[in-house]
Amino acid sequence: AQSVTQPDIHITVSEGASLELRCNYSYGATPYLFWYVQSPGQGLQLLLKYFSGDTLVQGIEGFEAEFKRSQSSFNLRKPSVHWSDAAEYFCAVGVENTDKLIFGTGTRLQVFP
Amino acid sequence: EPEVTQTPSHQVTQMGQEVILRCVPISNHLYFYWYRQILGQKVEFLVSFYNNEISEKSEIFDDQFSVERPDGSNFTLKIRSTKLEDSAMYFCASRVLSTEQYFGPGTRLTVT
Repeated sequence: AQSVTQPDIHITVSEGASLELRCNYSYGATPYLFWYVQSPGQGLQLLLKYFSGDTLVQGIEGFEAEFKRSQSSFNLRKPSVHWSDAAEYFCAVGVENTDKLIFGTGTRLQVFP
Repeated sequence: EPEVTQTPSHQVTQMGQEVILRCVPISNHLYFYWYRQILGQKVEFLVSFYNNEISEKSEIFDDQFSVERPDGSNFTLKIRSTKLEDSAMYFCASRVLSTEQYFGPGTRLTVT
């Protein structure tokens, strides 16, 4: 069965530091991969997506993610974190021939000044 | 920028009562979804809806749940007889043709 694992429940970084949030998926074929962010009281906002092609994808607000088939990973990165990036981040996989997204448990990012 | 909206933001109900959660998807979108997130757990797919019928549902979506698109703009989730374990954040989402789903801010349902 398809699944998504986000091994880090909570990450704390200093403002200006680099960030990497981990995501691993389990799926037989090439998945559609997404990163969503949820700020308190807000919905899930799409940061970026991977469908095919270039394995390094750029998203909004300076985020990027790299699809690595050999590692079944789709890690989210940002070179310099801003205090406003504090939120919950969800990795999700879209499965071919179904209509649903399968989410990871999320990583809560805390940013210290 | 168009967005998915949901009402109410917070609903409190007693066990056994019926609740209707409302969503207004983005106007030109064709596919509609409900997901839920129990506190501390992952976001889970409930149901997808296209062309006025359910296209897929999860095992969570039992006979207590139903969805409807009563007019050209609203998309509702009804829970007929709520249980304590239905307490969760419920998210509506919609999309056009691409796989990218746009989510609403959610309705927090509390069953007492």
